[in-house]
Amino acid sequence: EPEVTQTPSHQVTQMGQEVILRCVPISNHLYFYWYRQILGQKVEFLVSFYNNEISEKSEIFDDQFSVERPDGSNFTLKIRSTKLEDSAMYFCASSEGQGLISGGYTFGSGTRLTVV
Amino acid sequence: GENVEQHPSTLSVQEGDSAVIKCTYSDSASNYFPWYKQELGKRPQLIIDIRSNVGEKKDQRIAVTLNKTAKHFSLHITETQPEDSAVYFCAAGSWGKLQFGAGTQVVVTP
Repeated sequence: EPEVTQTPSHQVTQMGQEVILRCVPISNHLYFYWYRQILGQKVEFLVSFYNNEISEKSEIFDDQFSVERPDGSNFTLKIRSTKLEDSAMYFCASSEGQGLISGGYTFGSGTRLTVV
Repeated sequence: GENVEQHPSTLSVQEGDSAVIKCTYSDSASNYFPWYKQELGKRPQLIIDIRSNVGEKKDQRIAVTLNKTAKHFSLHITETQPEDSAVYFCAAGSWGKLQFGAGTQVVVTP
């Protein structure tokens, strides 16, 4: 079964440092997403991406965050200057289509980001 | 924006009994309602979804119902098994943006 791959599985970074979280979506999927989950809490939407541009973003996704699809396979989330409260599990997801046509999201296994 | 409420937060059931989890949403424009199962330390996995043009959907022991008028949807698990123990999340929204509920910890005791 196709999978969404995320690297690294765990990243520890110092407050104020930049981090890049990497994702390889399923190859025929066109829609990409980042969600995060603070330990023990709900999954929170960050951003959706289609056709090389952001489609939707949440209030969490401020100027410190950016996404990029640098090539035909990777989808990255960059946090420019990490804060302690950015510590969370970050999930990448992808879907084949949208609306009434698409199947559901497939989530990656996540990157646990710890900001110290 | 969309706000999703999920109840109960924890649910203990005897093996073989049914489990029901309920969610309400606020945005009438939401048209997609998936349910995810998350085991400890693992990714959320889609178990069933329903779209706003359908009132009910069933897949083996799992069923979901949607009441658009009342803006609520429910997950029903019948004949529960120990491997059903996990956190279940409902979500509501559109293709580009899902809001998740707070989750229900389901514990199935043998």
